[in-house]
Amino acid sequence: GAGVSQSPSNKVTEKGKDVELRCDPISGHTALYWYRQRLGQGLEFLIYFQGNSAPDKSGLPSDRFSAERTGESVSTLTIQRTQQEDSAVYLCASSLGLAGVGETQYFGPGTRLLVL
Amino acid sequence: GDSVTQMEGPVTLSEEAFLTINCTYTATGYPSLFWYVQYPGEGLQLLLKATKADDKGSNKGFEATYRKETTSFHLEKGSVQVSDSAVYFCALSAYFTGNQFYFGTGTSLTVIP
Repeated sequence: GAGVSQSPSNKVTEKGKDVELRCDPISGHTALYWYRQRLGQGLEFLIYFQGNSAPDKSGLPSDRFSAERTGESVSTLTIQRTQQEDSAVYLCASSLGLAGVGETQYFGPGTRLLVL
Repeated sequence: GDSVTQMEGPVTLSEEAFLTINCTYTATGYPSLFWYVQYPGEGLQLLLKATKADDKGSNKGFEATYRKETTSFHLEKGSVQVSDSAVYFCALSAYFTGNQFYFGTGTSLTVIP
């Protein structure tokens, strides 16, 4: 199976704690995206990485959110001092190239985060 | 800025009924348009796409035509099946707006036998 994988699949945490979410993209995919999907809502763009270029962080909702990617492999999304409104499904997607040229994104199964 | 507006759901149809889910967009430049589907308990997956005006994307009996004059990309299927029950998302991407994807809010479809 060479799809996008994410871990953990579910995470329950207490308000104020930090959480780290992991994404393993499809091998060879240069672009990687993080989205947030709140219950009953559409996908909210958070950040994307393209090769060695500076990431586009324009979608991060606050400075409590950060993400890193090592080369063209694994990415981690970190949420510090979690709040209840951070509860959502966090989706990762990867693509061969940039979305703007019509590349298909391949999504992982998501991490369901619940902040108590 | 760029955005996608799609028909609100939920939509409930009987098997073999005709399906239309409306999607209109606002974009600068020349976007690519997509329909993604999320089946129950599964991740999002591409259903079809079109990368330029008048292109028609098709897959699994679903079709959508990129209409620049009406800025629309409506999803259609002539005869739905129970297995088509899912949430459908319209999306666009455009090079000139930073390579982001913009998704609609999703339309939930339930097909009853």
